Amino acid sequence: KQEVTQIPAALSVPEGENLVLNCSFTDSAIYNLQWFRQDPGKGLTSLLLIQSSQREQTSGRLNASLDKSSGRSTLYIAASQPGDSATYLCAVKGGGNKLTFGTGTQLKVEL
Amino acid sequence: DAMVIQNPRYQVTQFGKPVTLSCSQTLNHNVMYWYQQKSSQAPKLLFHYYDKDFNNEADTPDNFQSRRPNTSFCFLDIRSPGLGDAAMYLCATSSDGYEQYFGPGTRLTVT
Repeated sequence: KQEVTQIPAALSVPEGENLVLNCSFTDSAIYNLQWFRQDPGKGLTSLLLIQSSQREQTSGRLNASLDKSSGRSTLYIAASQPGDSATYLCAVKGGGNKLTFGTGTQLKVEL
Repeated sequence: DAMVIQNPRYQVTQFGKPVTLSCSQTLNHNVMYWYQQKSSQAPKLLFHYYDKDFNNEADTPDNFQSRRPNTSFCFLDIRSPGLGDAAMYLCATSSDGYEQYFGPGTRLTVT
């Protein structure tokens, strides 16, 4: 059974700092990995999707990497802003159409 | 803009009183999902439709049912809500199980 872990569970950084969020998964037989952002009381916004054959994806200040063999992904956020404050979730897609989610990292970017 | 829409955004129901949550999409995706998310937890997949084929998760209670009358709409029916069913319900869509797009969610309160 796939298990997804995100460390740390919570993170507080000053504005402008570069930061890395970590995601690990137990079964490396995945099709893709997706990073989401969730604001309090809201739905999930897809940030980046990495196919199993890819090593990284970039969108603006966000860069996600994938090391499938070691079961790890990182989300790098450059020059953090208060508007980046949210919970970040990673999810992996294995066989079938099911995503397995981690419990997220709650990020707070302070002025 | 193409999107996933959920109605209502907030729903209050009484213990044991049936309730229906609605999801519609303009993405023309063939796969639609329903997730339950409780506070500070990862989203939990309840079931999904691949085209017209219904796929139930093994641990989804019988109290939860779903209907998909056409490509655009999907409904979540809770036949007899209990206090433990209070949660955020998230609808998502994808094209053939690729990247998932989420709606804003419906917050269900059971009194």
